[in-house]
Amino acid sequence: GAVVSQHPSRVICKSGTSVKIECRSLDFQATTMFWYRQFPKQSLMLMATSNEGSKATYEQGVEKDKFLINHASLTLSTLTVTSAHPEDSSFYICSAPSSPGQGYSNQPQHFGDGTRLSIL
Amino acid sequence: QQQVKQSPQSLIVQKGGISIINCAYENTAFDYFPWYQQFPGKGPALLIAIRPDVSEKKEGRFTISFNKSAKQFSLHIMDSQPGDSATYFCAARGGSTLGRLYFGRGTQLTVWP
Repeated sequence: GAVVSQHPSRVICKSGTSVKIECRSLDFQATTMFWYRQFPKQSLMLMATSNEGSKATYEQGVEKDKFLINHASLTLSTLTVTSAHPEDSSFYICSAPSSPGQGYSNQPQHFGDGTRLSIL
Repeated sequence: QQQVKQSPQSLIVQKGGISIINCAYENTAFDYFPWYQQFPGKGPALLIAIRPDVSEKKEGRFTISFNKSAKQFSLHIMDSQPGDSATYFCAARGGSTLGRLYFGRGTQLTVWP
């Protein structure tokens, strides 16, 4: 079964709305989580690295005030798209690496099922 | 700069044929090389992965060949099936157990029945 749960799977909202996406590690603790953005027929683009108990690290060109990341616990990271506009419409995916000894040596990184964000 | 280069961008194979996707990398610190399969509207799912101390790994119809000296690795899908039609991404992990993955651009595989 899934070890990383991402919610919601789909969001449709009006321009100017802020949207929160949750990423949960279900049966392991994740001190680090990654947030990706994927445009149609393109690869995953890393937006930021979420660190439990400290500030997120953003990739070059990603607006940290636009994409707020909070990693408040060892099992939950959230991405908030603030004042979303149509150009923010995309597929957002989170992933969480598991540490050695957590029982996932064959699959050290786990992906959520993604969130399809559509801004009208 | 693309850390992991993947080719081809698209691939059409007849049912029962062999699908081959190639990737190359430069950073010798990469320590883990997974392949992901992604269907439309879904997150990537791990297909098979290899570490640099192994030259080949086979799981069912899927095989990774790894050439450390050439810094290349490839995915072979034997007896390709229509259900294999998806986008495939190679990736490389940045030298740490909690390190980020660097993805290739993806290959759109279509298997004709």
